[in-house]
Amino acid sequence: GENVEQHPSTLSVQEGDSAVIKCTYSDSASNYFPWYKQELGKRPQLIIDIRSNVGEKKDQRIAVTLNKTAKHFSLHITETQPEDSAVYFCAAGGGANNLFFGTGTRLTVIP
Amino acid sequence: GAGVSQSPSNKVTEKGKDVELRCDPISGHTALYWYRQSLGQGLEFLIYFQGNSAPDKSGLPSDRFSAERTGGSVSTLTIQRTQQEDSAVYLCASSRRWGNTGELFFGEGSRLTVL
Repeated sequence: GENVEQHPSTLSVQEGDSAVIKCTYSDSASNYFPWYKQELGKRPQLIIDIRSNVGEKKDQRIAVTLNKTAKHFSLHITETQPEDSAVYFCAAGGGANNLFFGTGTRLTVIP
Repeated sequence: GAGVSQSPSNKVTEKGKDVELRCDPISGHTALYWYRQSLGQGLEFLIYFQGNSAPDKSGLPSDRFSAERTGGSVSTLTIQRTQQEDSAVYLCASSRRWGNTGELFFGEGSRLTVL
């Protein structure tokens, strides 16, 4: 099955700085790579996703990049705000693969 | 309702007892997933139902765990002879898209504590 690794496990940034979270996956058959945000005590919610036929996708302050050759993908958050503080999960799957999640990154944005 | 509903929200049980956790997915969603989230950990895949196809049970950690989905809607996750290591939040999610490529809508989770 798929194996997803996520780094770093914790990340602290000053408000206004950028944050980058990286993930690698093992199965080249995976073709769908979503990112979920889980605020304290709440359910995970999708914030952005990317499919294997594109290399980059942006949505306001959030962007994802995908390198299929190297089997890694990253989440970039620019101009961070305190409300960005949460746990972020990457995932990989699609096709015959179930959706497997990384272990999460706890992001703290310091005002 | 508008979202995925899970019950109970909290369950405290004694070691060795059986527990049942329920998930009501969003109406019309054909895919249903169960994940387990231990304290401070990631989302561990347990089982996946897709329409009327046989479920993918490859993530179930032991034969004490089982799940069913009746009528393509409500799902029940059963844990027999609970152990302390089963303590976690059990999250259910549904999706309207086939093939593991759609947005998952998660429930609030069922927090299980095994004493």
